[in-house]
Amino acid sequence: AQSVTQLGSHVSVSEGALVLLRCNYSSSVPPYLFWYVQYPNQGLQLLLKYTSAATLVKGINGFEAEFKKSETSFHLTKPSAHMSDAAEYFCAVSYNNNDMRFGAGTRLTVKP
Amino acid sequence: DTGVSQNPRHKITKRGQNVTFRCDPISEHNRLYWYRQTLGQGPEFLTYFQNEAQLEKSRLLSDRFSAERPKGSFSTLEIQRTEQGDSAMYLCASSLQGTGTDTQYFGPGTRLTVL
Repeated sequence: AQSVTQLGSHVSVSEGALVLLRCNYSSSVPPYLFWYVQYPNQGLQLLLKYTSAATLVKGINGFEAEFKKSETSFHLTKPSAHMSDAAEYFCAVSYNNNDMRFGAGTRLTVKP
Repeated sequence: DTGVSQNPRHKITKRGQNVTFRCDPISEHNRLYWYRQTLGQGPEFLTYFQNEAQLEKSRLLSDRFSAERPKGSFSTLEIQRTEQGDSAMYLCASSLQGTGTDTQYFGPGTRLTVL
């Protein structure tokens, strides 16, 4: 069965610092992988997705993620955090695009 | 550019009452999904439609839950005899089936509180 694990329910960084949000997946077949962001009282917005093309995926708002099959990871990074990045981030996995499984989420706090 | 809309945004009901939520997808999208999100958790898949056909249902979707998409456009999710454990955010998403991976676009959700 496919699933994702997000390490760290809460990450705090200073403005301008590197953002690293961790996601590991388990899937018996090559997966599709996604990162979504959720701001308070809003729906989920797609940041980026991996679909077996390039292993380094660039998304919106300066975020990117690298698919590492050997580590079964798809960590999300951003070189320099901005206050507006504070939100909840969800990693998700799917191999048929019908049944997407989400991680529990990581809440990112950005300190001034 | 209109995204996915959901109504109502908030619903407070008493245990045992029935509630119905509506989702309007992006107009050309033929797939529509329902998810449930409880506090501190990621969304959990409930069911999805391709056009008017309900193609998959999660075991989370008990017999008190029913979803319809009668004309392949908007969808409704009804919960009968609500229980306190039904309190959650109900999210709708839509996508356009095509080659490759279909991106799901989410609505703002309906927050249900069962007293």
